[in-house]
Amino acid sequence: KAGVTQTPRYLIKTRGQQVTLSCSPISGHRSVSWYQQTPGQGLQFLFEYFSETQRNKGNFPGRFSGRQFSNSRSEMNVSTLELGDSALYLCASSLRGAEMNTEAFFGQGTRLTVV
Amino acid sequence: GQQVMQIPQYQHVQEGEDFTTYCNSSTTLSNIQWYKQRPGGHPVFLIQLVKSGEVKKQKRLTFQFGEAKKNSSLHITATQTTDVGTYFCAGLGGTYKYIFGTGTRLKVLA
Repeated sequence: KAGVTQTPRYLIKTRGQQVTLSCSPISGHRSVSWYQQTPGQGLQFLFEYFSETQRNKGNFPGRFSGRQFSNSRSEMNVSTLELGDSALYLCASSLRGAEMNTEAFFGQGTRLTVV
Repeated sequence: GQQVMQIPQYQHVQEGEDFTTYCNSSTTLSNIQWYKQRPGGHPVFLIQLVKSGEVKKQKRLTFQFGEAKKNSSLHITATQTTDVGTYFCAGLGGTYKYIFGTGTRLKVLA
């Protein structure tokens, strides 16, 4: 079956702009999590959506937002981009519902460069 | 808040040598997962540990979960060049979210 699909794969934006990234989870997966990966910080948790509701969020400013649609596809948006937002943004889907003991499947990521 | 530290940050080994990475949480974990990310790739799930003191093996990889469920380790015996990558632990704490460790980047010299 198809894996997690993230689009676009690469993106270059100018400081101050806003960007929307998309994630299509594995069919049947209702949980989608977003992570920011930078060389020095590892994988930082942004937020998790389950059945169109944000179930958890990390410690990122309000410029970072997301949503999930009824087909479980998810988008994340970053407004007023800063140079420090340059990173690899990873999306992961899973079968996690009330039970969290399942693995996450990651997409290839979107490489965002802010200039 | 919950923090997960991982050491070492980098490790270079000669092919055939052993390798160990350690993961330590500031809080007790419900479970811990390990992922491997190859250079230029995305994290891929390796294993999950749930029980206190649990030990699991996958060929040359041995995973341990501490008795207090606050630390874990991954040990690779006789490393191969295919083991190259960054190994992450991810702990599930009381906040109902997985917190990833900072990762250990392994380089294997042939």
